Amino acid sequence: KAGVTQTPRYLIKTRGQQVTLSCSPISGHRSVSWYQQTPGQGLQFLFEYFSETQRNKGNFPGRFSGRQFSNSRSEMNVSTLELGDSALYLCASSLVVGGASEAFFGQGTRLTVV
Amino acid sequence: EDKVVQSPLSLVVHEGDTVTLNCSYEVTNFRSLLWYKQEKKAPTFLFMLTSSGIEKKSGRLSSILDKKELSSILNITATQTGDSAIYLCAVLRGQNFVFGPGTRLSVLP
Repeated sequence: KAGVTQTPRYLIKTRGQQVTLSCSPISGHRSVSWYQQTPGQGLQFLFEYFSETQRNKGNFPGRFSGRQFSNSRSEMNVSTLELGDSALYLCASSLVVGGASEAFFGQGTRLTVV
Repeated sequence: EDKVVQSPLSLVVHEGDTVTLNCSYEVTNFRSLLWYKQEKKAPTFLFMLTSSGIEKKSGRLSSILDKKELSSILNITATQTGDSAIYLCAVLRGQNFVFGPGTRLSVLP
């Protein structure tokens, strides 16, 4: 079956702009989690959606938001981009909330803010 | 504050060597500890450890959890160049993952 698909793969934006990233989970998976990965901070949890509802949230400012659609696809939005938002954004899908070994990661979106 | 620490952060070995990667954690509401391998972008799942002292094995890789010491180790024997990757340790606390910084392993031919 198809894996987790993230689009776009690469993105370059300027400071102050906003960006929307997309994640399509594995068919049948209803939970989508988002992570930010930077060399300095490692992999940090942003939020998790299940059945169109945000179930868990990490410690990120309100500029980071997300949503999930009825087909379980999820989008993540970052407004008023800052240079420090440059990172690899990964999403992971699983059958259930907080699914551990069933979590499959996408290839990520590499965001560069200039 | 919850934290996961990995050591070493970087390691260079030659093919055939055996390596041990360390992960220690301080988290509330611990549920399990997971190891992932990240080669290019997408981390891939290796092991999930929930109980202390029970070794999980997969080929040349093995891992064990020590809940008394709040730590885990990942062993790789007879390393190959294909083992070169970042190895991430993650702790599932409640329903959230807390990831460590990763250990960058480079295996030279």
